[in-house]
Amino acid sequence: DAKTTQPPSMDCAEGRAANLPCNHSTISGNEYVYWYRQIHSQGPQYIIHGLKNNETNEMASLIITEDRKSSTLILPHATLRDTAVYYCIVRGLRYNFNKFYFGSGTKLNVKP
Amino acid sequence: SQTIHQWPATLVQPVGSPLSLECTVEGTSNPNLYWYRQAAGRGLQLLFYSVGIGQISSEVPQNLSASRPQDRQFILSSKKLLLSDSGFYLCAWSVSSGPYYEQYFGPGTRLTVT
Repeated sequence: DAKTTQPPSMDCAEGRAANLPCNHSTISGNEYVYWYRQIHSQGPQYIIHGLKNNETNEMASLIITEDRKSSTLILPHATLRDTAVYYCIVRGLRYNFNKFYFGSGTKLNVKP
Repeated sequence: SQTIHQWPATLVQPVGSPLSLECTVEGTSNPNLYWYRQAAGRGLQLLFYSVGIGQISSEVPQNLSASRPQDRQFILSSKKLLLSDSGFYLCAWSVSSGPYYEQYFGPGTRLTVT
């Protein structure tokens, strides 16, 4: 699996967009980018995933560079409840089973 | 809808004592099941996973074991706990067919070994 690199922590003002970067320079053609987040003392929660096109859902947007070597998770209007550790995972798509390896992630601190 | 349960929520055990953590899933059949551990201030470490009853795969060698006696039941055990076994234990499930992209996590068990 491709290795990912994320900054250990970031700050964001409440109501502003939070842009969380992830580098995955060794990603292969069939590997997807997945994002999860973990609010303190809870289990991780799926946010979004993508292959090469930009993706958007009710939680966030995922922007993947054209060379696919990096991506950015965007929370358009961060709230205090978005304070969490955000994990970027690169993994091939499977159809009946998969394993995710969660690194250290980025601790996002949303401040009032 | 699907629900995943874990118990107990918190546990304090002395070194050398046994351990049994239970995870059950409701509302789905034949899920894939996973046990993770998170040491204080660290990322999640995948410990075991199971694709069916009695089928257990271990990710890292340790003094823990897992069992899946029923389709939607996953148990994490130890015969003798070590101080290093302290942490936040999370059970998760995923679908067993179709495009896979999401794991669903339980509320976790916080284990302190003293």
